[in-house]
Amino acid sequence: DVKVTQSSRYLVKRTGEKVFLECVQDMDHENMFWYRQDPGLGLRLIYFSYDVKMKEKGDIPEGYSVSREKKERFSLILESASTNQTSMYLCASRPRGGGYTFGSGTRLTVV
Amino acid sequence: QKEVEQNSGPLSVPEGAIASLNCTYSDRVSQSFFWYRQYSGKSPELIMSIYSNGDKEDGRFTAQLNKASQYVSLLIRDSQPSDSATYLCAVIERSNYQLIWGAGTKLIIKP
Repeated sequence: DVKVTQSSRYLVKRTGEKVFLECVQDMDHENMFWYRQDPGLGLRLIYFSYDVKMKEKGDIPEGYSVSREKKERFSLILESASTNQTSMYLCASRPRGGGYTFGSGTRLTVV
Repeated sequence: QKEVEQNSGPLSVPEGAIASLNCTYSDRVSQSFFWYRQYSGKSPELIMSIYSNGDKEDGRFTAQLNKASQYVSLLIRDSQPSDSATYLCAVIERSNYQLIWGAGTKLIIKP
């Protein structure tokens, strides 16, 4: 089974902090994604990557950046955390044309 | 803007009955369709994928696709309380091969 591992299940950070969310997948998938999910708003795509060192903006990239230095790892960076970035963050990977496999999610609270 | 529409629910179904979840999509050339189940506080889990018109069965689950009418549905036979969750429909957009997500239907199975 494909495994997508997110480094933290719960995080609490202070406003203005730089926050790193890590995601690792073990099935050599080309495509990786970062979503946030908020009640009533569904899944919203932040950034995605087709391959190493490639990144594309999703629907809500403002306030975020990403890094993909190795194929298996896709990091989401909050440069200066704000309270409106309190959310559930979901990482996913998939092979070309296939369905997504999600990590278990990171619930981030910014205080 | 490509869209995937689902009734948000909640859809309440008695235990043992058939639960029917529906999804419509706007991208006429979409080829790949997915159903995900998401328990509260957890990440989405892929339960069915379907690529061609007709029915696809997997245990108690049946996915139905009608490309001419642009809808995909999920039937759950012999519904169990453990089926209570939010069900997300997702469609691959042909232009960039990204998944477009519906907002999900909350299903409640009443004992």
